[in-house]
Amino acid sequence: EVQLVQSGPEVKKPGESLKISCKGSGYTFSNYWIGWVRQMPGKGLEWVGIIYPGDFDSETRYSPSFQGQVTISADKSMSTAYLQWTSLKTSDTAIYYCARRTDSGRDRLDYWGQGTLVTVSS
Amino acid sequence: DIQMTQSPSSLSASVGDRVTITCRASQTIASYFLNWYQQKPGKAPNLLIYAASTLQSGVPSRFSGSGSGTEFTLTISSLQPEDFATYYCQNSYSTLGPFGQGTKLEIK
Repeated sequence: EVQLVQSGPEVKKPGESLKISCKGSGYTFSNYWIGWVRQMPGKGLEWVGIIYPGDFDSETRYSPSFQGQVTISADKSMSTAYLQWTSLKTSDTAIYYCARRTDSGRDRLDYWGQGTLVTVSS
Repeated sequence: DIQMTQSPSSLSASVGDRVTITCRASQTIASYFLNWYQQKPGKAPNLLIYAASTLQSGVPSRFSGSGSGTEFTLTISSLQPEDFATYYCQNSYSTLGPFGQGTKLEIK
């Protein structure tokens, strides 16, 4: 059974750093893109970025709004993807979902993590 | 960049009603790359339909999708209480293919 399990909720202060995780199981982690999607309170879904772990080198793409603001990485040995910030802002308060992209010519996000609530407040 | 626009943004309906949600793309897209997701309050989104009309495994047959070019629709043939949720379309042609803004389906 394919599962994506995310790390727990976080409460941080502005300026602090944070790294959240998304662990995949039930499939070959390196063969699928894993994306990160933000949902701000009461709002819709927006892309943060996506990573292809790959067998050798990984490939990462960022939404223009998040380029330079976050870093997406993956540890293939742990089947885990990460989303990290070096200096959080109050505007980073949101739920962050990871999702697996199936690339088959009928591409879609077929499995989602449960979400990680990040609260940034002084 | 291709934009995805859903209509309506919100909708009130009753159990048993037939409901249609529309998703329009700012440019023609291949139907292979049009997906629909359902999100219930407090839960992660869930894939309902991919490639415009293919039901994801386990999704009830009262859900259907259609369309081509720039206009796509999601239809629920007979609303059930568990269908009240927010629905998003997505263009998955690129790895960061955009989502529509969502349609919130509420109980009348």
